[in-house]
Amino acid sequence: EAQVTQNPRYLITVTGKKLTVTCSQNMNHEYMSWYRQDPGLGLRQIYYSMNVEVTDKGDVPEGYKVSRKEKRNFPLILESPSPNQTSLYFCASSRSGERSYFGPGTRLTVT
Amino acid sequence: AQSVTQLGSHVSVSEGALVLLRCNYSSSVPPYLFWYVQYPNQGLQLLLKYTTGATLVKGINGFEAEFKKSETSFHLTKPSAHMSDAAEYFCAVSERDSSYKLIFGSGTRLLVRP
Repeated sequence: EAQVTQNPRYLITVTGKKLTVTCSQNMNHEYMSWYRQDPGLGLRQIYYSMNVEVTDKGDVPEGYKVSRKEKRNFPLILESPSPNQTSLYFCASSRSGERSYFGPGTRLTVT
Repeated sequence: AQSVTQLGSHVSVSEGALVLLRCNYSSSVPPYLFWYVQYPNQGLQLLLKYTTGATLVKGINGFEAEFKKSETSFHLTKPSAHMSDAAEYFCAVSERDSSYKLIFGSGTRLLVRP
């Protein structure tokens, strides 16, 4: 089954404690992205990757890092989380010119 | 820069009534257009998309949308609402050469009254 998986689905952490949210896709897609969803703001793109070792900033990249060492994986790294990064995070993948497939989401709370 | 406006953060309809969710975009060149639905505690599911060709696009669950270039609109409709349609709906656009960079509207929560 074609899918995008994310782990963990729920995470509660404290300010400053580094964390990683994993994302994996099994569709051999070139493009992968991370979005955050906040009430009243819709989804905003954090980072995207056009292929292995090729990443670029989206609209809200501050406080986040990503890496793309393998085509199927695109982890999101928060090196020093802060409360304003409390949000619902979605990973997505796609091929050029085609629709994006979204993961189930990761709900992050930073206290 | 592209932007997407969804009029109405909440829309309430009776079961069996017409559903109309509005979406307007700003772009100098016709973009790719999408509608996604998000059910409670779930990810985003594609309802329909417009890339080229026929401007009336049919999607899943009886939804359709019409691309109107002159109005820069891509409104979502369904002739008869079901209780199961209650969810949040997002309109999104992307440039034709970068479909992986989606710009989303703020979302419209659809409430269906029995």
